[in-house]
Amino acid sequence: DAKTTQPPSMDCAEGRAANLPCNHSTISGNEYVYWYRQIHSQGPQYIIHGLKNNETNEMASLIITEDRKSSTLILPHATLRDTAVYYCIVRVARETSGSRLTFGEGTQLTVNP
Amino acid sequence: NAGVTQTPKFRILKIGQSMTLQCAQDMNHNYMYWYRQDPGMGLKLIYYSVGAGITDKGEVPNGYNVSRSTTEDFPLRLELAAPSQTSVYFCASSAGLAGLSLFFGPGTRLTVL
Repeated sequence: DAKTTQPPSMDCAEGRAANLPCNHSTISGNEYVYWYRQIHSQGPQYIIHGLKNNETNEMASLIITEDRKSSTLILPHATLRDTAVYYCIVRVARETSGSRLTFGEGTQLTVNP
Repeated sequence: NAGVTQTPKFRILKIGQSMTLQCAQDMNHNYMYWYRQDPGMGLKLIYYSVGAGITDKGEVPNGYNVSRSTTEDFPLRLELAAPSQTSVYFCASSAGLAGLSLFFGPGTRLTVL
């Protein structure tokens, strides 16, 4: 699986967009980019995933560069409840791929009032 | 749907004691996982299962056992508890190939003294 690199921490003002970067320069053509977050003391929560195209759902947008070597998770209007550790994971979506879904250290996003 | 449920929420064990962490899901997911998370660290996979009757080791299986007799339940057994097993344990499930979008339970906080 491709290794990912994320900044250890970021700050964002409430109501502003939070842009969380992730580098995955060794990503393969069949590997997806997934984002999860973990609010303190809770189980991780799935946010979004994508392969090549940009994706948007009710929680966030995912922008993947054309060469797929990096991506950005965008929370359009961050709230205090978005304060969490955000994990970027690159993984092939095959039958047992979830068996080795590896969470690194992630990015601690702090949304300030 | 209750999603993924875990019991107990908290537990303190003495060294050498044994216990079973319970996990159940009502989403009819084939895939289930056990992770542990040490303070300030990412999640590490202990065991996983791709269906009833099928289990396999993850990254850190030593000191643990699992069984999967039904689709819904995936208990984790700790034998001869050690201080190194002090951690937060998360159970997760997924539909399999359709998504690495794992659904996590609330976690069990275990302390071994």
